[in-house]
Amino acid sequence: DAGVIQSPRHEVTEMGQEVTLRCKPISGHNSLFWYRQTMMRGLELLIYFNNNVPIDDSGMPEDRFSAKMPNASFSTLKIQPSEPRDSAVYFCASSFLGAWQETQYFGPGTRLLVL
Amino acid sequence: DQQVKQNSPSLSVQEGRISILNCDYTNSMFDYFLWYKKYPAEGPTFLISISSIKDKNEDGRFTVFLNKSAKHLSLHIVPSQPGDSAVYFCAASLNSGNTPLVFGKGTRLSVIA
Repeated sequence: DAGVIQSPRHEVTEMGQEVTLRCKPISGHNSLFWYRQTMMRGLELLIYFNNNVPIDDSGMPEDRFSAKMPNASFSTLKIQPSEPRDSAVYFCASSFLGAWQETQYFGPGTRLLVL
Repeated sequence: DQQVKQNSPSLSVQEGRISILNCDYTNSMFDYFLWYKKYPAEGPTFLISISSIKDKNEDGRFTVFLNKSAKHLSLHIVPSQPGDSAVYFCAASLNSGNTPLVFGKGTRLSVIA
Protein backbone atom coordinates (compact mmCIF):
# COMPACT_ATOMS: atom_id res chain seq x y z
CA ASP A 1 0.00 0.00 0.00
CA ALA A 2 1.28 3.45 -0.91
CA GLY A 3 0.08 5.02 2.31
CA VAL A 4 -1.55 8.42 2.54
CA ILE A 5 -0.54 10.61 -0.37
CA GLN A 6 -0.45 14.38 -0.17
CA SER A 7 0.29 16.98 -2.80
CA PRO A 8 1.98 19.29 -3.20
CA ARG A 9 4.79 18.64 -0.72
CA HIS A 10 5.72 22.30 -0.68
CA GLU A 11 3.75 25.38 -1.61
CA VAL A 12 4.91 28.97 -1.64
CA THR A 13 2.32 31.57 -2.45
CA GLU A 14 1.57 35.22 -1.96
CA MET A 15 -0.93 36.61 0.46
CA GLY A 16 -4.40 36.72 -1.02
CA GLN A 17 -3.91 33.79 -3.35
CA GLU A 18 -5.98 30.62 -3.23
CA VAL A 19 -4.23 27.49 -2.02
CA THR A 20 -5.50 23.95 -2.54
CA LEU A 21 -4.00 21.00 -0.73
CA ARG A 22 -4.81 17.46 -1.82
CA CYS A 23 -4.98 14.12 -0.10
CA LYS A 24 -5.53 10.52 -1.10
CA PRO A 25 -6.27 8.31 1.92
CA ILE A 26 -5.38 4.66 2.33
CA SER A 27 -7.77 2.45 0.43
CA GLY A 28 -10.37 0.89 2.70
CA HIS A 29 -10.18 3.54 5.39
CA ASN A 30 -13.47 5.24 6.18
CA SER A 31 -12.20 8.39 7.83
CA LEU A 32 -9.97 11.23 6.79
CA PHE A 33 -8.46 13.94 8.96
CA TRP A 34 -6.83 17.27 8.19
CA TYR A 35 -4.31 18.61 10.71
CA ARG A 36 -2.17 21.69 10.92
CA GLN A 37 1.13 21.66 12.77
CA THR A 38 2.66 24.82 14.19
CA MET A 39 5.29 25.39 16.83
CA MET A 40 2.84 27.14 19.10
CA ARG A 41 -0.14 24.80 18.88
CA GLY A 42 1.34 21.46 17.93
CA LEU A 43 -0.96 19.20 15.91
CA GLU A 44 -4.36 20.79 15.55
CA LEU A 45 -7.27 18.82 14.10
CA LEU A 46 -8.97 21.06 11.55
CA ILE A 47 -11.72 18.81 10.24
CA TYR A 48 -12.50 15.16 9.80
CA PHE A 49 -14.70 13.15 7.51
CA ASN A 50 -16.36 9.82 8.11
CA ASN A 51 -17.64 7.99 5.02
CA ASN A 52 -17.00 11.19 3.00
CA VAL A 53 -19.24 13.27 5.28
CA PRO A 54 -17.75 16.14 7.32
CA ILE A 55 -18.32 15.28 10.97
CA ASP A 56 -16.52 17.97 12.92
CA ASP A 57 -15.12 21.16 11.43
CA SER A 58 -14.83 23.04 14.70
CA GLY A 59 -11.07 23.20 14.27
CA MET A 60 -11.25 25.10 11.00
CA PRO A 61 -9.84 28.49 11.95
CA GLU A 62 -11.93 30.73 9.73
CA ASP A 63 -14.31 30.84 6.80
CA ARG A 64 -11.29 31.21 4.59
CA PHE A 65 -10.71 27.50 5.13
CA SER A 66 -12.88 24.88 3.46
CA ALA A 67 -12.55 21.14 2.92
CA LYS A 68 -14.28 18.67 0.69
CA MET A 69 -14.29 14.93 0.21
CA PRO A 70 -16.13 14.19 -3.02
CA ASN A 71 -15.33 10.47 -2.86
CA ALA A 72 -13.61 7.90 -0.67
CA SER A 73 -10.25 8.35 -2.35
CA PHE A 74 -9.80 12.11 -2.49
CA SER A 75 -10.04 15.19 -0.31
CA THR A 76 -9.05 18.84 -0.64
CA LEU A 77 -8.33 21.58 1.85
CA LYS A 78 -8.66 25.04 0.39
CA ILE A 79 -7.57 28.38 1.80
CA GLN A 80 -8.98 31.44 0.09
CA PRO A 81 -7.63 34.03 0.49
CA SER A 82 -4.41 32.87 2.10
CA GLU A 83 -2.62 34.92 4.76
CA PRO A 84 0.94 34.76 6.15
CA ARG A 85 -0.34 33.32 9.45
CA ASP A 86 -1.58 30.28 7.53
CA SER A 87 2.03 29.25 7.01
CA ALA A 88 2.39 25.81 8.59
CA VAL A 89 2.67 22.14 7.75
CA TYR A 90 -0.66 20.58 6.87
CA PHE A 91 -1.10 16.85 7.36
CA CYS A 92 -3.75 14.51 6.11
CA ALA A 93 -4.37 11.24 7.92
CA SER A 94 -6.74 8.34 7.44
CA SER A 95 -8.04 5.52 9.57
CA PHE A 96 -10.84 3.06 10.02
CA LEU A 97 -12.83 4.98 12.63
CA GLY A 98 -14.86 2.72 14.84
CA ALA A 99 -12.38 -0.10 14.60
CA TRP A 100 -11.01 -1.54 17.80
CA GLN A 101 -7.84 0.35 18.69
CA GLU A 102 -8.03 2.77 15.81
CA THR A 103 -4.69 3.95 14.48
CA GLN A 104 -4.33 6.94 12.20
CA TYR A 105 -1.85 6.91 9.35
CA PHE A 106 -0.38 10.21 8.27
CA GLY A 107 0.76 11.52 4.95
CA PRO A 108 4.11 13.30 4.55
CA GLY A 109 2.51 16.73 4.86
CA THR A 110 2.38 19.89 2.78
CA ARG A 111 4.65 22.69 3.92
CA LEU A 112 2.87 25.95 3.13
CA LEU A 113 4.55 29.32 3.11
CA VAL A 114 2.42 32.39 2.50
CA LEU A 115 4.46 35.50 1.79
CA ASP B 1 -8.88 22.88 27.20
CA GLN B 2 -6.11 20.41 26.44
CA GLN B 3 -7.20 16.87 27.16
CA VAL B 4 -3.76 15.41 26.43
CA LYS B 5 -0.73 17.23 27.76
CA GLN B 6 2.96 16.79 27.15
CA ASN B 7 4.48 19.26 29.53
CA SER B 8 8.07 18.93 28.36
CA PRO B 9 8.56 20.52 24.95
CA SER B 10 12.06 19.09 24.68
CA LEU B 11 14.38 16.51 26.19
CA SER B 12 18.08 15.77 25.69
CA VAL B 13 19.56 12.39 26.51
CA GLN B 14 22.96 10.83 25.98
CA GLU B 15 23.26 7.90 23.65
CA GLY B 16 22.88 4.60 25.48
CA ARG B 17 20.91 6.10 28.37
CA ILE B 18 17.20 5.86 29.01
CA SER B 19 14.77 8.40 27.51
CA ILE B 20 11.52 8.94 29.38
CA LEU B 21 8.76 10.93 27.72
CA ASN B 22 5.70 11.80 29.75
CA CYS B 23 2.07 12.42 28.92
CA ASP B 24 -0.91 13.35 31.09
CA TYR B 25 -4.57 13.24 30.20
CA THR B 26 -7.69 14.65 31.78
CA ASN B 27 -10.51 12.56 30.32
CA SER B 28 -10.92 9.40 32.39
CA MET B 29 -12.99 7.89 29.55
CA PHE B 30 -9.93 7.53 27.33
CA ASP B 31 -9.14 3.84 27.04
CA TYR B 32 -6.57 3.56 24.30
CA PHE B 33 -3.29 5.43 24.04
CA LEU B 34 -0.72 5.74 21.30
CA TRP B 35 2.70 7.22 20.74
CA TYR B 36 3.70 8.64 17.39
CA LYS B 37 7.18 9.58 16.24
CA LYS B 38 7.85 12.38 13.79
CA TYR B 39 11.02 13.13 11.88
CA PRO B 40 11.51 16.50 10.15
CA ALA B 41 9.81 16.75 6.76
CA GLU B 42 7.83 13.56 7.39
CA GLY B 43 4.40 12.78 8.78
CA PRO B 44 3.98 11.26 12.24
CA THR B 45 4.31 7.48 12.27
CA PHE B 46 2.74 5.12 14.74
CA LEU B 47 5.22 3.78 17.28
CA ILE B 48 3.50 1.88 20.06
CA SER B 49 0.14 1.74 21.83
CA ILE B 50 -1.47 0.52 25.01
CA SER B 51 -4.99 -0.36 25.99
CA SER B 52 -6.38 0.68 29.35
CA ILE B 53 -6.69 -2.95 30.40
CA LYS B 54 -2.89 -3.10 30.55
CA ASP B 55 -0.33 -1.12 32.47
CA LYS B 56 2.64 -1.93 30.29
CA ASN B 57 3.37 -2.71 26.67
CA GLU B 58 6.81 -3.46 25.31
CA ASP B 59 8.18 -3.51 21.78
CA GLY B 60 11.92 -3.89 21.54
CA ARG B 61 13.60 -0.84 22.99
CA PHE B 62 10.27 0.93 23.48
CA THR B 63 8.01 0.44 26.48
CA VAL B 64 4.87 2.36 27.32
CA PHE B 65 3.60 2.48 30.90
CA LEU B 66 0.07 3.47 31.85
CA ASN B 67 -1.02 4.67 35.29
CA LYS B 68 -4.78 5.04 35.06
CA SER B 69 -5.26 6.36 38.57
CA ALA B 70 -2.82 9.18 37.87
CA LYS B 71 -4.03 9.62 34.28
CA HIS B 72 -0.43 9.40 33.18
CA LEU B 73 1.51 7.47 30.62
CA SER B 74 5.15 7.40 29.74
CA LEU B 75 7.32 6.14 26.91
CA HIS B 76 10.68 4.63 27.81
CA ILE B 77 13.38 4.17 25.21
CA VAL B 78 16.27 1.97 26.30
CA PRO B 79 18.98 2.30 25.14
CA SER B 80 18.51 5.61 23.37
CA GLN B 81 20.11 5.95 19.94
CA PRO B 82 20.83 9.04 17.82
CA GLY B 83 18.22 7.82 15.32
CA ASP B 84 15.59 8.19 18.02
CA SER B 85 15.96 11.97 17.82
CA ALA B 86 12.51 13.13 16.73
CA VAL B 87 9.32 14.71 18.01
CA TYR B 88 7.13 12.28 19.94
CA PHE B 89 3.38 12.79 20.14
CA CYS B 90 1.14 11.16 22.69
CA ALA B 91 -2.46 10.48 21.61
CA ALA B 92 -5.57 9.13 23.29
CA SER B 93 -8.90 7.80 22.13
CA LEU B 94 -12.21 6.41 23.22
CA ASN B 95 -12.35 2.87 21.91
CA SER B 96 -16.04 2.69 22.46
CA GLY B 97 -16.91 5.69 20.33
CA ASN B 98 -16.39 6.96 16.82
CA THR B 99 -14.23 9.84 17.91
CA PRO B 100 -10.85 10.78 16.55
CA LEU B 101 -7.56 10.66 18.40
CA VAL B 102 -6.65 13.54 20.67
CA PHE B 103 -2.99 14.53 20.40
CA GLY B 104 -0.59 16.23 22.77
CA LYS B 105 1.67 19.00 21.50
CA GLY B 106 4.71 16.78 21.30
CA THR B 107 8.12 16.47 22.93
CA ARG B 108 11.30 16.93 20.92
CA LEU B 109 13.85 14.29 21.89
CA SER B 110 17.50 14.84 21.09
CA VAL B 111 19.83 11.89 21.62
CA ILE B 112 23.40 13.07 21.81
CA ALA B 113 26.18 10.79 20.65
